[in-house]
Amino acid sequence: SQQGEEDPQALSIQEGENATMNCSYKTSINNLQWYRQNSGRGLVHLILIRSNEREKHSGRLRVTLDTSKKSSSLLITASRAADTASYFCAFLGLDSSYKLIFGSGTRLLVRP
Amino acid sequence: NAGVTQTPKFQVLKTGQSMTLQCAQDMNHEYMSWYRQDPGMGLRLIHYSVGAGITDQGEVPNGYNVSRSTTEDFPLRLLSAAPSQTSVYFCASSQPKGINTEAFFGQGTRLTVV
Repeated sequence: SQQGEEDPQALSIQEGENATMNCSYKTSINNLQWYRQNSGRGLVHLILIRSNEREKHSGRLRVTLDTSKKSSSLLITASRAADTASYFCAFLGLDSSYKLIFGSGTRLLVRP
Repeated sequence: NAGVTQTPKFQVLKTGQSMTLQCAQDMNHEYMSWYRQDPGMGLRLIHYSVGAGITDQGEVPNGYNVSRSTTEDFPLRLLSAAPSQTSVYFCASSQPKGINTEAFFGQGTRLTVV
């Protein structure tokens, strides 16, 4: 399978704590993206990091990318109950097909 | 802006029936794709299109057909529904040739095949 792998599969934390999710992939990439999915809804784009970038920030989100290890991490700082959702990494390969391949996802529960 | 619109939102089919899931986008995106999401799993790519008249297979294409006659529409056809096709289907669009290649998703179609 071309899918990326994410860990942990599920994460439960207290409001105010930080949440870290990891993503690994197997191919060379153009960019890597993170998406959020609330229960029963479509996916919403959070942040994109290009292959020549190592770290990117957006509000309470911090993404890192290590292309030598083919891995990425998403850190959500000072989590809130509203952050409860599933989070998916997705990567765009270097070939010309523009296929966006998704990881298996991390289910995050933030307890009030 | 409507973004990506999928219809229907819910559908129940009997084994062997055929149907078409509709997807339309109003952002003039070149790239459109269909994914299926099964419980506890990520999204798996069924078919995709890089422009009108061009389609290609993704990871799990069997049992599905697509066509792309216009930039806006990308319907997914189930030829003869099977229980294994019970899933939530998402359509997405993006403009991959550029700095920002984020995908925009529809709200999904929940399909049950009995």
